[in-house]
Amino acid sequence: GAVVSQHPSRVICKSGTSVKIECRSLDFQATTMFWYRQFPKKSLMLMATSNEGSKATYEQGVEKDKFLINHASLTLSTLTVTSAHPEDSSFYICSAPWSRSGGQETQYFGPGTRLLVL
Amino acid sequence: AQTVTQSQPEMSVQEAETVTLSCTYDTSESDYYLFWYKQPPSRQMILVIRQEAYKQQNATENRFSVNFQKAAKSFSLKISDSQLGDAAMYFCAYRSWNYGQNFVFGPGTRLSVLP
Repeated sequence: GAVVSQHPSRVICKSGTSVKIECRSLDFQATTMFWYRQFPKKSLMLMATSNEGSKATYEQGVEKDKFLINHASLTLSTLTVTSAHPEDSSFYICSAPWSRSGGQETQYFGPGTRLLVL
Repeated sequence: AQTVTQSQPEMSVQEAETVTLSCTYDTSESDYYLFWYKQPPSRQMILVIRQEAYKQQNATENRFSVNFQKAAKSFSLKISDSQLGDAAMYFCAYRSWNYGQNFVFGPGTRLSVLP
């Protein structure tokens, strides 16, 4: 089945630094990828939709200059948390839709990235 | 905008027993998908079951089945013969019918399975 990977799986950084998280579709092409954020014991909240070859679409309340998204190829989307602060500490999950030609769509989730900002 | 509600923050069930998790949603769309996802401690999202809104027949996957009531906008998950490995967070999710749409997740229900 289709697989989505994320790297790194966990990262600890100092306040004020930037952190890049990668989301890769390993065996299919994804023109769209979604980035979600999950606080401890909470649900997944959509942050933004990453579109290959065009600008990402951000949800209301998500700072686009804070969370930079680049979808440079059909298999890779990156989320960069700029000037990270402790309140950015969270679990970040990506997902990508895929379907066989004429088939039903399935979405695949990455394993997530745990970010801790000290 | 669509919303998903799960009114049970926590549930517990005895091993081998049956438990039902509740979910309601709100939408003005007529075609859509509904899902139940499981998130174990590893935090990897695992698809449990999906339902297409146009289908009247309730989806089933082995020990997992749903009770889909479209008019009532209700989508409950029944887990039969509960196993210790079923313990996890369970999220009800909505997705619009068009290709490449994001999920809208409910707040989740934490299920404990007692030996």
